[in-house]
Amino acid sequence: GESVGLHLPTLSVQEGDNSIINCAYSNSASDYFIWYKQESGKGPQFIIDIRSNMDKRQGQRVTVLLNKTVKHLSLQIAATQPGDSAVYFCAEGGPYNQGGKLIFGQGTELSVKP
Amino acid sequence: DAGVTQSPTHLIKTRGQHVTLRCSPISGHKSVSWYQQVLGQGPQFIFQYYEKEERGRGNFPDRFSARQFPNYSSELNVNALLLGDSALYLCASSSAPGGRNTIYFGEGSWLTVV
Repeated sequence: GESVGLHLPTLSVQEGDNSIINCAYSNSASDYFIWYKQESGKGPQFIIDIRSNMDKRQGQRVTVLLNKTVKHLSLQIAATQPGDSAVYFCAEGGPYNQGGKLIFGQGTELSVKP
Repeated sequence: DAGVTQSPTHLIKTRGQHVTLRCSPISGHKSVSWYQQVLGQGPQFIFQYYEKEERGRGNFPDRFSARQFPNYSSELNVNALLLGDSALYLCASSSAPGGRNTIYFGEGSWLTVV
C-alpha cells in the first residue's frame, strides 16, 4: 500500500547547526510533497512544498530536496534555532483524482540544544 | 486574514455518545478536508469535501460522516463514540481539491472519549 516513512524518529542538534530531516515515499505516482511543522498542542504548520517536476526548492532558511529515482525527500534547515524544535512531517499528495488526500509519515521530532 | 478555525478546541465525551466538530476554511477556500491524529502518529485522512460534495474518503467506519455547507464551512460527525476515537481532529482547507493545492491546517479539536 501507499506509505510515507521517515528514517529517524528523533533528531537532536546544536543551535546554529544545520538540520536534515529525511523521508521516503513509496508511491511513484505521487506528484506533490509537503513538509509540515507541528508544535506541541497545535495543528500542522505548512513549511514548504515541492512538485514532482522539481528537484530542489528553497524558502527562508529551509530547502527541500526531491530525489524521484530513489523516492526520497529531505528537509534542510539552516542555522537551526530553538524555535525550530517541533515534530516535522512529510506528506505526500497524490494525483488530482485522489481528491487532495495527503498521506503523512510518523514524523521526526527535532530537538535544538541551546 | 483568519486561518482555518475549528470548534470546539477541547471536549470530553462518553462512550456511545455523538460528537459534532466544526470548521471554517480560509476565506476563499472551497475545499475542506478532515484528518484524525492519534497521539504520536501522523494525521490520517478521513474526508474531503469540495463544493458541498464528497471528493474523497479514508478508511474510517460509517460512524464517521461529514458535510459541507454553502458557505464552505464543514462539520464532522462521529456516532457511537469508542475509546479509540480519542484523538486530535484536524480540519484543513485549500482553494481547490487535488494534490497540488497548498493545504493549510487548523489547530484542531481535541476529543477525549471516556
